[in-house]
Amino acid sequence: DADVTQTPRNRITKTGKRIMLECSQTKGHDRMYWYRQDPGLGLRLIYYSFDVKDINKGEISDGYSVSRQAQAKFSLSLESAIPNQTALYFCATSKQREARYEQFFGPGTRLTVL
Amino acid sequence: GESVGLHLPTLSVQEGDNSIINCAYSNSASDYFIWYKQESGKGPQFIIDIRSNMDKRQGQRVTVLLNKTVKHLSLQIAATQPGDSAVYFCAENSGGSNYKLTFGKGTLLTVNP
Repeated sequence: DADVTQTPRNRITKTGKRIMLECSQTKGHDRMYWYRQDPGLGLRLIYYSFDVKDINKGEISDGYSVSRQAQAKFSLSLESAIPNQTALYFCATSKQREARYEQFFGPGTRLTVL
Repeated sequence: GESVGLHLPTLSVQEGDNSIINCAYSNSASDYFIWYKQESGKGPQFIIDIRSNMDKRQGQRVTVLLNKTVKHLSLQIAATQPGDSAVYFCAENSGGSNYKLTFGKGTLLTVNP
């Protein structure tokens, strides 16, 4: 979905390095999410934000941090990358409204930690 | 169905056949469900959703069935096409106002021409 963009699309880094993944959206949605996807494990929620400066931990937040300084941007940081953080990372957005909770996903970032 | 370990369940069908992909969800309090399609190298795309007060919903070539008694969700794709080849997974919202989704592990659909 071109309305949710992620940079970089691919990144190879070394153990111990600090990495930041960026997500931007033009949908005007208030809610943003970071997931990681591993083979056979599906999508797991890392962090989510319901508004600017609002930060909530997901099920696997250890080793990650996030920042939501503007409604349209949500960044994910790995302060000291380790090999088991090698995965596909997806950003998603949603809009607060009744009855429907669909999330819209970006194209993903493939991160490899050597 | 859902995967265990590192391998996705797979479904292989002939072009033109109907496909049925299944999902067992865990939380009886879930009130909203979505099916997503994920093609290789892309992010998940919304296909169809259903609320828990319904047991069937139809879209273009797709139908979602919900059986709350056994906590089972299925996605039916009519006249499957090669472009339907992808991983399909379900997601549930477990109720409340936090709008978080819990995702299943997915099923790989392969359509043979």
